[in-house]
Amino acid sequence: ETGVTQTPRHLVMGMTNKKSLKCEQHLGHNAMYWYKQSAKKPLELMFVYSLEERVENNSVPSRFSPECPNSSHLFLHLHTLQPEDSALYLCASSQDLRGRGDTDTQYFGPGTRLTVL
Amino acid sequence: GQQVMQIPQYQHVQEGEDFTTYCNSSTTLSNIQWYKQRPGGHPVFLIQLVKSGEVKKQKRLTFQFGEAKKNSSLHITATQTTDVGTYFCTYSGAGSYQLTFGKGTKLSVIP
Repeated sequence: ETGVTQTPRHLVMGMTNKKSLKCEQHLGHNAMYWYKQSAKKPLELMFVYSLEERVENNSVPSRFSPECPNSSHLFLHLHTLQPEDSALYLCASSQDLRGRGDTDTQYFGPGTRLTVL
Repeated sequence: GQQVMQIPQYQHVQEGEDFTTYCNSSTTLSNIQWYKQRPGGHPVFLIQLVKSGEVKKQKRLTFQFGEAKKNSSLHITATQTTDVGTYFCTYSGAGSYQLTFGKGTKLSVIP
């Protein structure tokens, strides 16, 4: 599946580094999402963008900063992370945000495995 | 608040045996979706159920949505090693686009 791509696939960084995760969707979708998946917790929604506007920010620490320059690209800028931020970061996209009885299917990218030393 | 429990958390089966995972909610769900995540992979959409009592089949997989829309199940007939992975049920509240993922059921298939 190449509908949603993420780079890099693996990243190791120190707590003082600044790095960015990139997500690109080739599906013509209008909504994009960042999720965090760590070993001991369920998949956690971090940010939601619809038509390049942020519509959801689930109390994510400011050391995570999203950017959505257009409907096909989504970035997650990282700075001064903590070891507990080590996790798999997944990007997803869906056609739209509906909020009715049916929910748009979300298509996930392969994720970036992040390790913070 | 709305709580959805997925059971069991882990399941080990012999290849060829059947497998079932259940999602139970304390409140009525507007819809439920099922995803599968292979080891080292990412969640992949399987199915969405919207109607009360809905049953959908995909080859050896059977998905059900309860009459009261408070529970759902995924049943795999005659498991194969390719079925290995974690199966998640997800749901969104009425009027919400946000999917909430459960902890999932991790399936291991012994050849």
